[in-house]
Amino acid sequence: GIQVEQSPPDLILQEGANSTLRCNFSDSVNNLQWFHQNPWGQLINLFYIPSGTKQNGRLSATTVATERYSLLYISSSQTTDSGVYFCAPEGDDKIIFGKGTRLHILP
Amino acid sequence: KAGVTQTPRYLIKTRGQQVTLSCSPISGHRSVSWYQQTPGQGLQFLFEYFSETQRNKGNFPGRFSGRQFSNSRSEMNVSTLELGDSALYLCASSLRGPEAFFGQGTRLTVV
Repeated sequence: GIQVEQSPPDLILQEGANSTLRCNFSDSVNNLQWFHQNPWGQLINLFYIPSGTKQNGRLSATTVATERYSLLYISSSQTTDSGVYFCAPEGDDKIIFGKGTRLHILP
Repeated sequence: KAGVTQTPRYLIKTRGQQVTLSCSPISGHRSVSWYQQTPGQGLQFLFEYFSETQRNKGNFPGRFSGRQFSNSRSEMNVSTLELGDSALYLCASSLRGPEAFFGQGTRLTVV
């Protein structure tokens, strides 16, 4: 099955900093989502991005399906951005999750 | 519109018991998937239902089962609970394609 690797596994930043989270996947995928898991456990949809680039406020994402990677950019980080970010491509008719990047934004 | 609703939010059970978790998808969504999240294994796919039929199944023992009703609500059942079944169980619904929306989860503790 598809393998998903996310990097870095952990990231600690000062409020206001920018960050780039990376997701590599081992096989072709038709679809890919980015989620933010809040401290209460809920997965919040950030982007549905099988290819190309999308932006939503301070967040943007780029997927290069032919090279099997996706990037999530967070600019001007806020403490509310803390949590775990998951990349989740679709493979074998199901969503496969990476292990996530744990982001901690210091005030 | 209302999001995905999972009940109960928290549950404590004893080893050997069984448990049933419920998931109500977003109105109009016919696909419901279940995931188990543990610190050691991360997020793992359990199964997916579409129009009352199991469409896909993950690599979990037969103690884990599910079903979907005609109104698209889904339940999952775990029988003969083990300590290792302690986890956050997440349900996702989707309209047709793979863009999934998740509920807040049910946190199950087995003691």
